[in-house]
Amino acid sequence: DTGVSQDPRHKITKRGQNVTFRCDPISEHNRLYWYRQTLGQGPEFLTYFQNEAQLEKSRLLSDRFSAERPKGSFSTLEIQRTEQGDSAMYLCASSWVWDRRSSYEQYFGPGTRLTVT
Amino acid sequence: TQLLEQSPQFLSIQEGENLTVYCNSSSVFSSLQWYRQEPGEGPVLLVTVVTGGEVKKLKRLTFQFGDARKDSSLHITAAQPGDTGLYLCAGEGGSEKLVFGKGTKLTVNP
Repeated sequence: DTGVSQDPRHKITKRGQNVTFRCDPISEHNRLYWYRQTLGQGPEFLTYFQNEAQLEKSRLLSDRFSAERPKGSFSTLEIQRTEQGDSAMYLCASSWVWDRRSSYEQYFGPGTRLTVT
Repeated sequence: TQLLEQSPQFLSIQEGENLTVYCNSSSVFSSLQWYRQEPGEGPVLLVTVVTGGEVKKLKRLTFQFGDARKDSSLHITAAQPGDTGLYLCAGEGGSEKLVFGKGTKLTVNP
């Protein structure tokens, strides 16, 4: 297994354009998370999936953001009508959770760096 | 809202020195994780601590979880340039997601 992968690694787009990022989690992991990280900050939670179900969304996730995990494997994060404030590193993580007592060790991908000009 | 505060924010030391990084909160966490992140890359998991008072060692790195599960520390012995990076602590408070501190940026000079 090669770990969590993300594509693309870098994306430069003009304000107002739509962008889509892909995340492929570790194959046996049932949970997938999206985070956003800006310079000088730790990652901030955006949303997460248990298999194909999206279970929680942060208030940071405005109506312009949508995430899917259609078959419970890879996930996509789409940002519509991008704004300069969307410039950040978008991180994907996955984990295996089997019951309420399991620790939430999350394994991160390399991230997608988005620059909105 | 659960918050994690890390200190110091920046740390620059010489190779061979020891250092300690702190992660504090007023909230109780059921587990706490430490990550190291290099520029342009995602965080890499170093360790997870679960039990209050727990101490874990990873080569020259020693991690401790406070008795009350509100704080943690990372101690590095004889730091090496390869230890340079952003050290992040993240807590799981029962809300199914991780809350991260802002990180400690460590630079180890040869």
